Amino acid sequence: DIQMTQSPSSLSASVGDRVTITCRASQSISYYLNWYQQTPGRAPKLLIYAASTLQSGVPSRFSGSGSGTDFTLTISSLQPEDFATYYCQQRYAIPPYTFGQGTKVEIK
Amino acid sequence: QVELQESGPGLVKPSQTLSLTCTVSGGSISSGSYYWSWIRQSAGKGLEWIGHIDTSGSTNYNPSLKSRVTISVDTSKNQFSLKLTSVTAPDTAVYFCARDSNNWSSYYFDLWGRGTLVTVSS
Repeated sequence: DIQMTQSPSSLSASVGDRVTITCRASQSISYYLNWYQQTPGRAPKLLIYAASTLQSGVPSRFSGSGSGTDFTLTISSLQPEDFATYYCQQRYAIPPYTFGQGTKVEIK
Repeated sequence: QVELQESGPGLVKPSQTLSLTCTVSGGSISSGSYYWSWIRQSAGKGLEWIGHIDTSGSTNYNPSLKSRVTISVDTSKNQFSLKLTSVTAPDTAVYFCARDSNNWSSYYFDLWGRGTLVTVSS
């Protein structure tokens, strides 16, 4: 299985801050990397697919980059509704399609 | 718009079979070239993809669960289902159904049900 490792596991930030979350794959997954946002009691919501393509309706303050094994999710100016847990997920070739352990973004 | 809704027992006894159904509303399960997935989330293992099916009935499963999992589809009812046999306490989780969409060669879960908590306990 391809292991996905996110860092940090949690972070504290203030409204307006720039936030960066990193995801590393245990082997190259090209650009087959997706990012999701989850708030308590809700299902994950797709933010970005194919490493850098913004899902329809997602604010432009979210962006993604990377390829191969190293990927980044950036929130350019953190908003109150962005306090949540973020997951990366690889969708490369053969199953299983694995998720990172999550990064919890908390209010500072 | 298309919505997904999970249904099934919230409590299953150890060694028994967990059975869940996902109903697709607001559109046909057969329209478009999608896979239909089951994903679970537990405190111990985070988010775990269980498997998926397309409307021809072709399936892929997580190898770690493959011996215990069956996913089926009923296009006449606009539903797909999950069966997980011989459950134990570690199978306790919130179970989500999700649509597995694609854009060129990229696949992603773009639509999710709200999730249903299944507890394995006697």
